[in-house]
This record gives sequence, C-alpha cells and structure tokens, in this order.
Amino acid sequence: DARVTQTPRDKVTEMGQEVTMRCQPILGHNTVFWYRQTMMQGLELLAYFRNRAPLDDSGMPKDRFSAEMPDATLATLKIQPSEPRDSAVYFCASGQGDLRGGEQFFGPGTRLTVL
Amino acid sequence: AQTVTQSQPEMSVQEAETVTLSCTYDTSESDYYLFWYKQPPSRQMILVIRQEAYKQQNATENRFSVNFQKAAKSFSLKISDSQLGDAAMYFCAYRSPYNDMRFGAGTRLTVKP
Repeated sequence: DARVTQTPRDKVTEMGQEVTMRCQPILGHNTVFWYRQTMMQGLELLAYFRNRAPLDDSGMPKDRFSAEMPDATLATLKIQPSEPRDSAVYFCASGQGDLRGGEQFFGPGTRLTVL
Repeated sequence: AQTVTQSQPEMSVQEAETVTLSCTYDTSESDYYLFWYKQPPSRQMILVIRQEAYKQQNATENRFSVNFQKAAKSFSLKISDSQLGDAAMYFCAYRSPYNDMRFGAGTRLTVKP
C-alpha cells in the first residue's frame, strides 16, 4: 500500500530555530505539493513541484521558507528562523501530474509548534 | 481566480441516516475536476470521491455519492447509511488542468449514535 510519508510527525521548537520537514512522495509520482493548514486560513498551498522543478512557490513566505527536492524520493520544507505564527500542520502531497484529474495523495502531516 | 465555497461549517447526522454536504465553486473553465476529501481526527487527508466535469453521470463510491450540477456550479456530497467512522472534516476541492487544487474551508460532520 503506497503512501506518502512525512517526518517528523510532531515538532516543538523555540522561536528563531531552524525547522526542517521531510516528505517521501509515492514512488512514481512526479508532482509534489506542500500545504499549510491552520484554523484561520484553512489549507494553503505553499509550494508545488513537477519532476523536481519548482513550478509555484508564490504562497510561501520567501524570507524564511524554502522548499527543495534534492531527488525524486525526497522533498524538504525549511523554515529559518521559525516564528510562533508558523505554528500549523504542514502537509505534503504527491500525484501523477494530471492523471486522474490531478488527484493528490496526502501524507500524515507534521504538526509544528513554535514557542 | 477559482474559489470553492462550503457554506456549512458544521453538520450533524444520526447514525444510519443520510446527510448532504454542500459545495459551490466559481470558475470560467469548462474542463476541470472536483474532489471531496475527508480529514478524520487522525488529520490524514483521504480522498473520498472524484468527479470529472465532462462526465454527466454523478460519481459514486459505495455509500458516498455526489450531485454534480455543472450549470449551477454545485457539487454536493451525499453520505448514505452514516457510520460513526464518517465523523470528520470534509473538504471540497476544485482543480483545472495544469493548475493547483483549490480547497473549501471545510464542513465538520458529527455522527450521533
């Protein structure tokens, strides 16, 4: 049963610290998405990769956030320095381009708490 | 820009009964896809059902079915024979080809035993 995996599942850190979240997309999927979920804003798209190339990161605060795909099996989202307002659940999702309408498979999320 | 509206922040249903969750969207595209995702307390986002806009037939997956009204830009989810495990947040989502997915704000469904 292929699944998107994310680590860590939960992270508590102090303001100013660097946070790195990792995602392993489903093997064979060529699109990867990073979302942030908060009560106030709902699900927000932060970044979107196709074939490891960033296509859209307009939803991401550029001064502190960065997203990369070092290889096809790993996507990372970094926050440096972290701030309390970054506290949220961060989801990674993967898909097969436009196959099946662009259906996305989500990981379990990383709950980030910045104190 | 495409927007997705879920006008019911919360809904409640008695176990074994039927409930319908509403979703409307705004678009000028003719080719697009619609989805319902479920997010239980475990926070895992799970795809419930998918509808292609070019298909007139409403999608069905076991106890889950949709009422897709393209002209009205409406895409409601019907859950039949509700079960306790159906309790979750439900998100409606829209996507047009080569674009990213847009999600609604969600509807929290409570199932009463």
